[in-house]
Amino acid sequence: KNQVEQSPQSLIILEGKNCTLQCNYTVSPFSNLRWYKQDTGRGPVSLTIMTFSENTKSNGRYTATLDADTKQSSLHITASQLSDSASYICVVRIYGGSQGNLIFGKGTKLSVKP
Amino acid sequence: GAGVSQSPSNKVTEKGKDVELRCDPISGHTALYWYRQSLGQGLEFLIYFQGNSAPDKSGLPSDRFSAERTGGSVSTLTIQRTQQEDSAVYLCASSLPVGSNQPQHFGDGTRLSIL
Repeated sequence: KNQVEQSPQSLIILEGKNCTLQCNYTVSPFSNLRWYKQDTGRGPVSLTIMTFSENTKSNGRYTATLDADTKQSSLHITASQLSDSASYICVVRIYGGSQGNLIFGKGTKLSVKP
Repeated sequence: GAGVSQSPSNKVTEKGKDVELRCDPISGHTALYWYRQSLGQGLEFLIYFQGNSAPDKSGLPSDRFSAERTGGSVSTLTIQRTQQEDSAVYLCASSLPVGSNQPQHFGDGTRLSIL
């Protein structure tokens, strides 16, 4: 069964600290992996998209990694800011298939405290 | 603005009433998706349109739910005879053709509350 699992479910960190969010998937065949940020009351916004051949991709203070062999991805946030408080959603695209080919994780809720 | 627009942003209605939710995708985006997000939950796929192809309706939870996309642009999601469990945020997203590595662009959703 195609699944995307994220951990932890929630995380609280102090402003200025780093953190890493995890995503494990059992999706096959794999096409690409996406990380989205969803602020409270808003729609998700794309942070990164990585294909099979990409190991890492950065977007400002956000760095995503992908290990296609172990089917794991992480999102690292450096020098966190209060505005990083949001849910972070991992999404894997299937090559072919239905549902527009996208499988969503349930997200990690990050709270950054002053 | 050039983003995905959804209306209304909030909708409160009585159980048993019909509701229509609207999505204006980004111009030129041929793929359009509807999702449902209950409080504290992940996104639940509802329906997917790609160009002139038959829509993928595999995520619609019951026959009370339907959606159409007119002229390959604006889409409406209709819920008939609403139930309290239909209360959720309904999100619409659009993207360039699925065959690309382009991201989905989401609207801010319609928050639906069934009394």
